[in-house]
Amino acid sequence: SQTIHQWPATLVQPVGSPLSLECTVEGTSNPNLYWYRQAAGRGLQLLFYSVGIGQISSEVPQNLSASRPQDRQFILSSKKLLLSDSGFYLCAWRSRGQGLRGSYNSPLHFGNGTRLTVT
Amino acid sequence: AQRVTQPEKLLSVFKGAPVELKCNYSYSGSPELFWYVQYSRQRLQLLLRHISRESIKGFTADLNKGETSFHLKKPFAQEEDSAMYYCALDSGAGSYQLTFGKGTKLSVIP
Repeated sequence: SQTIHQWPATLVQPVGSPLSLECTVEGTSNPNLYWYRQAAGRGLQLLFYSVGIGQISSEVPQNLSASRPQDRQFILSSKKLLLSDSGFYLCAWRSRGQGLRGSYNSPLHFGNGTRLTVT
Repeated sequence: AQRVTQPEKLLSVFKGAPVELKCNYSYSGSPELFWYVQYSRQRLQLLLRHISRESIKGFTADLNKGETSFHLKKPFAQEEDSAMYYCALDSGAGSYQLTFGKGTKLSVIP
């Protein structure tokens, strides 16, 4: 079965320090990978998505970047954290397949999330 | 551009009362709609999708293209239904992203 691992679960970092959050998926190949930020009252904000190794699409301009060095690995990074980067970050994956009526998307599967506090 | 609107940030109902979580969307094509749920201290997970036309944990949702709505309903709320609920829109096969609403926190009062 497919599983998604996201770590660390919590992180406290000072302003100006670097960031690296990692996400890996097991049990599937060539997944679409996503980074979301979840904030109370603001819902889920898509930050980045990737449809393949080295392919990253950014949805919002920000202090963060993403990389996909391997098929099932997705990394969220920052060179210098800002106070406004504090939040709850979620990694997710989905597969794409072929059905009788053409290609389809599976639902998103989420990791447990990382609570980032920038001090 | 596609958009999902959940008008209620918080919805409180008594145990045994009917529940309706509202979701409206704007999209010019034929979307796929989903409901995701996040229980306390658990990961966000799929509750149901409109193409499945199934009932999960007593919840149902019907896609109304005329009203561009996908409201989530349950005839009798249970305490364990208390959670955060998100409506999401997928613009269809070939798209890469889901658009989420801002979520509704459902609180079931015993």
